[in-house]
Amino acid sequence: GAVVSQHPSRVICKSGTSVKIECRSLDFQATTMFWYRQFPKQSLMLMATSNEGSKATYEQGVEKDKFLINHASLTLSTLTVTSAHPEDSSFYICSASTGGNSPLHFGNGTRLTVT
Amino acid sequence: AQSVTQLGSHVSVSEGALVLLRCNYSSSVPPYLFWYVQYPNQGLQLLLKYTTGATLVKGINGFEAEFKKSETSFHLTKPSAHMSDAAEYFCAVSDDGYNKLIFGAGTRLAVHP
Repeated sequence: GAVVSQHPSRVICKSGTSVKIECRSLDFQATTMFWYRQFPKQSLMLMATSNEGSKATYEQGVEKDKFLINHASLTLSTLTVTSAHPEDSSFYICSASTGGNSPLHFGNGTRLTVT
Repeated sequence: AQSVTQLGSHVSVSEGALVLLRCNYSSSVPPYLFWYVQYPNQGLQLLLKYTTGATLVKGINGFEAEFKKSETSFHLTKPSAHMSDAAEYFCAVSDDGYNKLIFGAGTRLAVHP
């Protein structure tokens, strides 16, 4: 079946540094990728939708300058958390789709801890 | 705006017992409804979905869910729990197919011998 690889699975960084999270579709071309954020005991919240070759569409309340999303190819999207702060500590998860009404395939998530 | 409420953040059942995970939604349009399962250190896996048609939906691993419009519910059931069913379960709603899913907070299912 379709596999989405998300890397790293865990990352600890110091406040003020930037962290890049990668999301790769291993055996299919993902025209659309979604980035979610999940706080402990809360829902997965959609942060942004990215389409290959175009700018990401951010959900209301998500700072696009802080959470940089790049979807440069049909198999790779990256989320960069810039100038991370402790409140950015969370679980980030990506999903990928071939578009239209095709099902989503999820990565395993990245646990970000900012100290 | 759409929303999803999963009643019970933790559910514990005995092996062989009925599994019932509750999900209520709100949507201003006919919804697409989903149940996903997440095993430790893994991504979300689609269990089943409702789009249109038959309101009783069968999914993988013996799970099923029934769409009840009058109750705005989409509860997940399985007649007999297995130890391997222990995981986190998420209910989700969308008015746009698979795009822009709105997730519930999740229910952690524990199965004990």
